[in-house]
Amino acid sequence: DARVTQTPRHKVTEMGQEVTMRCQPILGHNTVFWYRQTMMQGLELLAYFRNRAPLDDSGMPKDRFSAEMPDATLATLKIQPSEPRDSAVYFCASATGSNQPQHFGDGTRLSIL
Amino acid sequence: AQSVTQLGSHVSVSEGALVLLRCNYSSSVPPYLFWYVQYPNQGLQLLLKYTTGATLVKGINGFEAEFKKSETSFHLTKPSAHMSDAAEYFCAVSEGPGGFKTIFGAGTRLFVKA
Repeated sequence: DARVTQTPRHKVTEMGQEVTMRCQPILGHNTVFWYRQTMMQGLELLAYFRNRAPLDDSGMPKDRFSAEMPDATLATLKIQPSEPRDSAVYFCASATGSNQPQHFGDGTRLSIL
Repeated sequence: AQSVTQLGSHVSVSEGALVLLRCNYSSSVPPYLFWYVQYPNQGLQLLLKYTTGATLVKGINGFEAEFKKSETSFHLTKPSAHMSDAAEYFCAVSEGPGGFKTIFGAGTRLFVKA
């Protein structure tokens, strides 16, 4: 089965450091989503792309977060500088369209000390 | 605007008992509806989806859901719970063709007792 691949699976770093999370969407999927999951807030949509163009990043703190798709096989989510409140599990998902079933990766568990 | 409400953040059933997880939605247009399951340390996986047509939708692992427009509900059921069904379940709604976003509910954690 085709899968969404996220790296790294776990990341522990100190406050102020840059964090980069990567996602390889399923081949042929033109829509990519980034989510953040925490116990308190649940699943939050941070940003999403269609055909590599950002369609909505209103859920993302603009001053420290950035999301890009350098090519169709790679999506990145960066945090600079990182803060302890950024600790969460970050999921990438891909789909064949904005309202089609989403295929999720297994997430990056991020801990900011 | 769309919204999703899952009734009950936690549901506990005995093995072999009926599973019923409740979901109500709000949408200004005919919705697409989904149920996803999340096991520990994994991403969400699609259980089933409703787009158009038959209102009773069958999914994987013996789950099914019924779309009731008059009640704006899309409840998830399984006749007989298994220990392996213990997980978190998310209901989601999108605005159908041309829609841009899928909205996820807060999730319901299902516990299955032996």
